[in-house]
Amino acid sequence: GENVEQHPSTLSVQEGDSAVIKCTYSDSASNYFPWYKQELGKGPQLIIDIRSNVGEKKDQRIAVTLNKTAKHFSLHITETQPEDSAVYFCAASSGTYKYIFGTGTRLKVLA
Amino acid sequence: EAQVTQNPRYLITVTGKKLTVTCSQNMNHEYMSWYRQDPGLGLRQIYYSMNVEVTDKGDVPEGYKVSRKEKRNFPLILESPSPNQTSLYFCASSLRGGNEQYFGPGTRLTVT
Repeated sequence: GENVEQHPSTLSVQEGDSAVIKCTYSDSASNYFPWYKQELGKGPQLIIDIRSNVGEKKDQRIAVTLNKTAKHFSLHITETQPEDSAVYFCAASSGTYKYIFGTGTRLKVLA
Repeated sequence: EAQVTQNPRYLITVTGKKLTVTCSQNMNHEYMSWYRQDPGLGLRQIYYSMNVEVTDKGDVPEGYKVSRKEKRNFPLILESPSPNQTSLYFCASSLRGGNEQYFGPGTRLTVT
């Protein structure tokens, strides 16, 4: 079946450094790729998303890139801050609107 | 306040005792979905609904039932819960499929 692989599972960076999380999807029909941030004890919250007709999208310190040929998309966080520490999930969805999520990346930003 | 609410937030039950977890949204969203979250497995979609009376299976539908009789409500039913359904459950909604999903606070279910 369809799946989304996410790496790394844990990531520690120094405050101010950049963090990159990568996902690979299997369903070539996928056309919507959201990224969610989950803080402890809360539900996930969307931080950025990208559609298949776009190669890159930025929102302040956060950016997402998409390579449809390689079926690969990445989250980039620049100038990391302690409040960026959380679990991040990527996901892929196709026209059926079924979602496949990655297994998550626990990001720790060290002050 | 725009939100997704789930009840109960915590539930401990025994194998085989039917239970329902309610989900309600006040944003007039068409799309609603249920997920379970387990350590190391991320979020897995159980069922989703594109609109009233329209539901479809996600990745892990076995052992669960849903119904969408009203736009705002999307209950998750476990007719005969088993220990392998012990998990953290999230309900989510979005304006339509393929848009930002808003997640509820989660329901932690333990089946003994």
